[in-house]
Amino acid sequence: EAGVAQSPRYKIIEKRQSVAFWCNPISGHATLYWYQQILGQGPKLLIQFQNNGVVDDSQLPKDRFSAERLKGVDSTLKIQPAKLEDSAVYLCASSDGGALRDTQYFGPGTRLTVL
Amino acid sequence: DAKTTQPNSMESNEEEPVHLPCNHSTISGTDYIHWYRQLPSQGPEYVIHGLTSNVNNRMASLAIAEDRKSSTLILHRATLRDAAVYYCILRAPYNFNKFYFGSGTKLNVKP
Repeated sequence: EAGVAQSPRYKIIEKRQSVAFWCNPISGHATLYWYQQILGQGPKLLIQFQNNGVVDDSQLPKDRFSAERLKGVDSTLKIQPAKLEDSAVYLCASSDGGALRDTQYFGPGTRLTVL
Repeated sequence: DAKTTQPNSMESNEEEPVHLPCNHSTISGTDYIHWYRQLPSQGPEYVIHGLTSNVNNRMASLAIAEDRKSSTLILHRATLRDAAVYYCILRAPYNFNKFYFGSGTKLNVKP
């Protein structure tokens, strides 16, 4: 079974530029998550999708971050414009949405450096 | 609003057991306790989870206190490959299955 795929793995941009990250979840997984992980900290949930609807985006900085999940499969997270404090690893995870177990499977992440 | 508290780091010798503690004093009756680990340059991976009873799987054991306010992840024989950051997480099944990550424990395994 293929895992969660993310691209690119690394990205370096200058502040005020735009950047986009792509995630392909495990086939059949209804729930998709984007996390931000700043160096030395645990992951912080940015947005959670159930199929192609948003379940929780309370910690997404909506003035600069946006995310979509068209057709309930792939997802894209965008930052426009980027700030220095956006330097972090962006992790995508998916789960099959079963309440009793609901294991999240994480991708390798995209490491963003904003100069 | 981290809901779990873990030591920042721990050290173990190879081939010896490791007990990683976690405090979650504000856990609700329906929250599951999950443990994930994160190897360098990788995403977190599932280790084990439980609700009330102790749990065992091929990777580890999970011991949950009777009052559920703390838990301990047990690695029975640490190997160098077990060096990672271990996260104790509460999952809220009635709040969209949200995961509440803490800052984790960095485990160093000495040969």
